[in-house]
Amino acid sequence: SAVISQKPSRDICQRGTSLTIQCQVDSQVTMMFWYRQQPGQSLTLIATANQGSEATYESGFVIDKFPISRPNLTFSTLTVSNMSPEDSSIYLCSVEAEGSTNRYEQYFGPGTRLTVT
Amino acid sequence: ELKVEQNPLFLSMQEGKNYTIYCNYSTTSDRLYWYRQDPGKSLESLFVLLSNGAVKQEGRLMASLDTKARLSTLHITAAVHDLSATYFCAVDGAGSRLTFGEGTQLTVNP
Repeated sequence: SAVISQKPSRDICQRGTSLTIQCQVDSQVTMMFWYRQQPGQSLTLIATANQGSEATYESGFVIDKFPISRPNLTFSTLTVSNMSPEDSSIYLCSVEAEGSTNRYEQYFGPGTRLTVT
Repeated sequence: ELKVEQNPLFLSMQEGKNYTIYCNYSTTSDRLYWYRQDPGKSLESLFVLLSNGAVKQEGRLMASLDTKARLSTLHITAAVHDLSATYFCAVDGAGSRLTFGEGTQLTVNP
């Protein structure tokens, strides 16, 4: 399993500013992911954070808006740039790690609740 | 493109009753997850289903997977109020990228 922490847990930001969200895992993992959950909606994958290379973004998400860093195998950051109220969401980090059945599973962090005013 | 559909999206049921939530997906996958989310909280992993015919049970919840039909079910037995939450299925696509269903908002009434 994997224990994931995120900082901050919540924030209220003004439009036009940027916020960087941190994700820390208690073990080395290859695969880290960032998801967004807009109010009342399901989760949507933003990007896969690759260690040592550029992140891979899903359709509808771009690096200029959501730059991602992955400096090592236990840490990643997601920045939400030039925020607008539409960016108000919960942002979740997830990792793929070995589970109790010796198979790989995905685990989610506690999320960062962002409100943009 | 992988698509995942859940139904129903909203479910109101009485305590003690049984019900099933369905999750259909469009392309082949070898992993399917069920998660629970309470309001304002993150996701709690309920089940990981890895092969055709897999069945897992935990308390009043039982999940199954039919990879040929591309269908998973989450069955609730004798519901209790504590099960009120939103339930998501998520299908593992290429590169371990998860595609989530829309979620089923379950309310169990006394």
